[in-house]
Amino acid sequence: GAGVSQTPSNKVTEKGKYVELRCDPISGHTALYWYRQSLGQGPEFLIYFQGTGAADDSGLPNDRFFAVRPEGSVSTLKIQRTERGDSAVYLCASSLDGRTDTQYFGPGTRLTVL
Amino acid sequence: AQTVTQSQPEMSVQEAETVTLSCTYDTSESDYYLFWYKQPPSRQMILVIRQEAYKQQNATENRFSVNFQKAAKSFSLKISDSQLGDAAMYFCAYRSASNNDMRFGAGTRLTVKP
Repeated sequence: GAGVSQTPSNKVTEKGKYVELRCDPISGHTALYWYRQSLGQGPEFLIYFQGTGAADDSGLPNDRFFAVRPEGSVSTLKIQRTERGDSAVYLCASSLDGRTDTQYFGPGTRLTVL
Repeated sequence: AQTVTQSQPEMSVQEAETVTLSCTYDTSESDYYLFWYKQPPSRQMILVIRQEAYKQQNATENRFSVNFQKAAKSFSLKISDSQLGDAAMYFCAYRSASNNDMRFGAGTRLTVKP
C-alpha cells in the first residue's frame, strides 16, 4: 500500500503568518508522530498521537504550535504567528501501534519563513 | 534524558568496500530499541535496521549489520559491499520501550566513491 504522504512538499510564508501542514499516514496505522528537522541536525520529536488523541505533546516548542487528528487518520500541524526560527523540514511518521512498532516516515514538508 | 551521539559528521567509502558508522547513546533504562535510518536527498527517512536491546544477537539485513554493545552503549552500523545508492545521511536513533519519543543523533553523511 501507499506510504506516509505529506503536503505541501514545500511551503514559503512570511513572518507572522499562519500555516498548516498535512500528514496522511499509512492506512491502518493508529500511531502518528510529528518531528522537526533543522538544517544539519537529526529530527526532533514534537508530538505523538494514538488514535485521535495527543498522547504526548511534550516536544511542541511553544503554544504557537498545535496539531490535530480528528478522525484518527489524517493529521494537521498548525503553526501560528510564524517566526524565521520555525524554518525547518517537518517530518511525519506513522506506526501500526504506538508501542513497539517501527515508525515509517513521510518525505517531509520544507517550511521557509521569510 | 537520553542522548544519541554520532561522532563522524562525514564518512567516505570506495564502491564495493566496507564502512562502519559509529553511534553511542546514553540511557539509564534497560529496555529500549535502536535504529539506523537512511535519509537520501529526497528527505524520506528509510529504516535500515532495528535492534531490540533485550536481544543479544546483532541484527542483520542483507549488506547491513550492526555491532550492538549494550554495556558500552554502542551501536555501530556496518555496510558491506558498498553501492553508489548507499550514499546518504545516516541517522542513529534511540527509543525507550516506555514511551514513544524517539531521539536521533546528528547524522553521518556517507559518500560512496566509484
